[in-house]
Amino acid sequence: DAGVTQSPTHLIKTRGQQVTLRCSPISGHKSVSWYQQVLGQGPQFIFQYYEKEERGRGNFPDRFSARQFPNYSSELNVNALLLGDSALYLCASSPRGGSTDTQYFGPGTRLTVL
Amino acid sequence: RKEVEQDPGPFNVPEGATVAFNCTYSNSASQSFFWYRQDCRKEPKLLMSVYSSGNEDGRFTAQLNRASQYISLLIRDSKLSDSATYLCVVPASGGSYIPTFGRGTSLIVHP
Repeated sequence: DAGVTQSPTHLIKTRGQQVTLRCSPISGHKSVSWYQQVLGQGPQFIFQYYEKEERGRGNFPDRFSARQFPNYSSELNVNALLLGDSALYLCASSPRGGSTDTQYFGPGTRLTVL
Repeated sequence: RKEVEQDPGPFNVPEGATVAFNCTYSNSASQSFFWYRQDCRKEPKLLMSVYSSGNEDGRFTAQLNRASQYISLLIRDSKLSDSATYLCVVPASGGSYIPTFGRGTSLIVHP
C-alpha cells in the first residue's frame, strides 16, 4: 500500500515568492495535517483538514493557507516567503484526524528561501 | 512551563545499554500520548502510544506519570539502529485538534 506522498521533495525560492506544496494521503484516510519542522525542533502544527473542512489551525500567519480536495489530497500555500519559512514541511494523514489516531507522515518537502 | 518539554540530548550510549528519556507536559487534561521516532532527514514514525497503564513493545517501554505530568521511554539493550531522535507528542484535547510535539531527544548508540 502506498504511504503518504508529497511533492516536490525539494524547493528553492526567493523572498517574496509564493509556493504550493502537495500531499496525497494514504488511501482511505480522510484527514490531512500540515507541519513545519525547522532544524533542531519538533514539528509545529500548521493546519488540519478533515472531509475538506479546516478543523484546526496552529499559530501561523495568514500567509499560510491550505485546502483539501474531494479526493482528500491537500495543498499548502505560503505567500510572501520569508527567510524564516525555510524548513521541512511535513504532511500527515490519519483515518479521522481524531486525537488518538496515529498520524502517518510523508517524506516532507524541504523548502529553502534565499 | 512549555506545553511539551524534552531534553534535546544527545544521549551517547554504548550498544547494550539501557537508556531512558522523559517528556514533561503542561496540559493535565491530556489522556494519551505518543512517542515517535525520527531518523536523520526522514519523517517521524510512530514508535508507541502511551496510556494510563503504560505500554511495552519488545525492548521499548513507555510509562505515564500523571501526578508529575511526564511520560518516559525506556530502551533496553540498545542497538546501533536505535540511533535517532525520539519525539514526544501530546495530542489535542478539550475540543482542540492541535497536537503538540516536543523538540525531540537525540540518541546516539555507539559500538
